Amino acid sequence: DGGITQSPKYLFRKEGQNVTLSCEQNLNHDAMYWYRQDPGQGLRLIYYSQIVNDFQKGDIAEGYSVSREKKESFPLTVTSAQKNPTAFYLCASSSTTPRSYNEQFFGPGTRLTVL
Amino acid sequence: AQSVTQLGSHVSVSEGALVLLRCNYSSSVPPYLFWYVQYPNQGLQLLLKYTSAATLVKGINGFEAEFKKSETSFHLTKPSAHMSDAAEYFCAVSVRNTGNQFYFGTGTSLTVIP
Repeated sequence: DGGITQSPKYLFRKEGQNVTLSCEQNLNHDAMYWYRQDPGQGLRLIYYSQIVNDFQKGDIAEGYSVSREKKESFPLTVTSAQKNPTAFYLCASSSTTPRSYNEQFFGPGTRLTVL
Repeated sequence: AQSVTQLGSHVSVSEGALVLLRCNYSSSVPPYLFWYVQYPNQGLQLLLKYTSAATLVKGINGFEAEFKKSETSFHLTKPSAHMSDAAEYFCAVSVRNTGNQFYFGTGTSLTVIP
């Protein structure tokens, strides 16, 4: 079954701690994305990567970091510099071929709560 | 710049009634348009997409949307609401050759009243 997996589903963090959210895809997609979702605000782009070893900041990158060492994996680290990290985090991927129409496929999400 | 506006953050309909969720977009070039559905604590699932092949697009679960360039709209409709349609719906726009970036609306929560 092709798809995107995110782990863990629920994550609790103490203030001052860094945590890493996992995102893996077996769709052979070049592009991957991280979004943050808060009630009433829709999805906001944190980081995206169109190719291995390259990534760009999205609209709300402060306090977050990513890496893209493998095509299948795009982990997101929420650092202690992120002042309000409690949110639902969604990972997505898409093909970059011209006829793909940019459709993004989403993982099931990770809910992060800061205690 | 690209943007999406979803009118109505909450919509309630009776079971069996017409569902209409509104989406207007702003784009300086021909866009791709998408509707996604999200059930509680889950990821987003694609309902349908407009890619310029046809202005009336049919999707899963009986939903459809019509692209109207003159109105810059892409409203989502379903003739008869079912209880299982209760969810959050997101409209998104993507512009060709912009690195596959999506711009999402703020979502519309659909409640279906029995």
